[in-house]
Amino acid sequence: SQQGEEDPQALSIQEGENATMNCSYKTSINNLQWYRQNSGRGLVHLILIRSNEREKHSGRLRVTLDTSKKSSSLLITASRAADTASYFCATDLPRGTYKYIFGTGTRLKVLA
Amino acid sequence: GAVVSQHPSRVICKSGTSVKIECRSLDFQATTMFWYRQFPKQSLMLMATSNEGSKATYEQGVEKDKFLINHASLTLSTLTVTSAHPEDSSFYICSARAPGLTEKLFFGSGTQLSVL
Repeated sequence: SQQGEEDPQALSIQEGENATMNCSYKTSINNLQWYRQNSGRGLVHLILIRSNEREKHSGRLRVTLDTSKKSSSLLITASRAADTASYFCATDLPRGTYKYIFGTGTRLKVLA
Repeated sequence: GAVVSQHPSRVICKSGTSVKIECRSLDFQATTMFWYRQFPKQSLMLMATSNEGSKATYEQGVEKDKFLINHASLTLSTLTVTSAHPEDSSFYICSARAPGLTEKLFFGSGTQLSVL
């Protein structure tokens, strides 16, 4: 299936450290998005990167995309306890279906 | 920003009953909405695509008679879990596109369904 694989599955770091999570996918994409989910809640959009972009920044977030390797990474710098959540990458299916398939997710825990 | 409201947030029902979950776009018109199912500590699994004014498109393996989707207006899609059984217990989330504005999805806050 198209579903992306993310690693690590779980990550525990100290406040102030950087957190890096990776996403790999299987087929060609138009864009890739990262979402955040707090426990028992809906998802919140973080950042979108298009297939012709290699890197994008938003505040403490940095996303890279390597289409040749079909992979993306999300870096959260200077993490805070409030960053504790699950993070998912989402890739669009081709042919304008507007459907997004979500990766397996990384559960991040930031310890104060 | 675009807001999607999902209701109820939590529902407990007896086996055999039907449960309706509503997903509303509050400040934009959503021609397309998506329904997902999520098990604890797992990813979102796309169940179906809800299109305003037409039949929903279901993903492979999803029973359309079990999970009825209606998208009667540009701001409302409903998911009805018919004759619910304990194995239908899950977290259900909807999302919507804001066409012409952005490619990102706006999510409801989810519904935790528990079938006894």
